[in-house]
Amino acid sequence: GQQVMQIPQYQHVQEGEDFTTYCNSSTTLSNIQWYKQRPGGHPVFLIQLVKSGEVKKQKRLTFQFGEAKKNSSLHITATQTTDVGTYFCAGGTGNTGKLIFGQGTTLQVKP
Amino acid sequence: KAGVTQTPRYLIKTRGQQVTLSCSPISGHRSVSWYQQTPGQGLQFLFEYFSETQRNKGNFPGRFSGRQFSNSRSEMNVSTLELGDSALYLCASSPRDRGYEQYFGPGTRLTVT
Repeated sequence: GQQVMQIPQYQHVQEGEDFTTYCNSSTTLSNIQWYKQRPGGHPVFLIQLVKSGEVKKQKRLTFQFGEAKKNSSLHITATQTTDVGTYFCAGGTGNTGKLIFGQGTTLQVKP
Repeated sequence: KAGVTQTPRYLIKTRGQQVTLSCSPISGHRSVSWYQQTPGQGLQFLFEYFSETQRNKGNFPGRFSGRQFSNSRSEMNVSTLELGDSALYLCASSPRDRGYEQYFGPGTRLTVT
């Protein structure tokens, strides 16, 4: 079945360092979404990418969708303690509400 | 606008029992999806409903079922509970009919003993 792999599983950084998480799908995606889940919380929608090669920025966060629409990345510049949490990518296929989530990358930021 | 609400927030059940979880989507959202979250398996898609019709189903046994009402509220039911059903059950609603961004509720924490 369709799988979405996400690496790394964990990342510990010093505040101010950059952070990147990568997402790879076994099949071509119609869109990819990114979510953040704080400890004890629920996933919160960050962004959706639809177009091949698309790049979107939200302040210190940069999201990319690969040319083949099978991979994506999230890069955070100059991490802050407020960035702590688990970042999930989720792939959508076709005209469907079904999302396949990656396993998530848990980010710890040391002040 | 109020967010997605789920009831109950916490639940403890015994093996063999059944359970019903409820979800009220954001006003105006017609698509509701359910996910199971566990430390080992992560976030797994259960099913999606739109306009009272199940549009997609994940790879879960038939013990897991759901429905959606005309006001878009949704329920999911798990029968003959097993220990492995212990998880956080998350409901998400979407403002578009083709599953764009999803807004998650706080979840129901189910513990099966």
